[in-house]
Amino acid sequence: KAGVTQTPRYLIKTRGQQVTLSCSPISGHRSVSWYQQTPGQGLQFLFEYFSETQRNKGNFPGRFSGRQFSNSRSEMNVSTLELGDSALYLCASSLVGEHQETQYFGPGTRLLVL
Amino acid sequence: KQEVTQIPAALSVPEGENLVLNCSFTDSAIYNLQWFRQDPGKGLTSLLLIQSSQREQTSGRLNASLDKSSGRSTLYIAASQPGDSATYLCAVSLSGYSTLTFGKGTMLLVSP
Repeated sequence: KAGVTQTPRYLIKTRGQQVTLSCSPISGHRSVSWYQQTPGQGLQFLFEYFSETQRNKGNFPGRFSGRQFSNSRSEMNVSTLELGDSALYLCASSLVGEHQETQYFGPGTRLLVL
Repeated sequence: KQEVTQIPAALSVPEGENLVLNCSFTDSAIYNLQWFRQDPGKGLTSLLLIQSSQREQTSGRLNASLDKSSGRSTLYIAASQPGDSATYLCAVSLSGYSTLTFGKGTMLLVSP
């Protein structure tokens, strides 16, 4: 069974641009969560999608948005990039996103904002 | 607000040693606690998941315990190997859903 895949793996953008990251969950998984990882703040929850609906959202500005498609693939978008958005963005999938389920993480997308 | 703390931040041991990593959380109303491993520049791999009603879980050389009332968890690694070198993260689930709050991790180096 294929794992969680994320594309692209690396991105370099400049301040003010926008970026879209993609996450394909494990086949059959309907819940996708996104996390931002930085050296200073560690791993922080961005949002979670289930059945094309955002079910939970972390404490991030509105520049961060996401969506989920009918095949459970998810995208996240960051508009008006800032230097502080440089981070490793990780997505995780699980069957239905309940607390007792193991979360399976992708390899991440490393974003560098110049 | 739930805070998760991991001590120590870094640990270096010779191969073969048994070691303990610590995780503490401020709000005992958790649904579960998970331990993950992260290799440099990579994603996370789930190691153990302990439900709030459980006291411990074991997988191979790994054993994780949970004491909800005191807000503590420990990850015990027996007979450490160089391949165990990685950052170990603990995370708690505060709701019925999968949203996780993470600690900042313990960076482990096992020398041959």
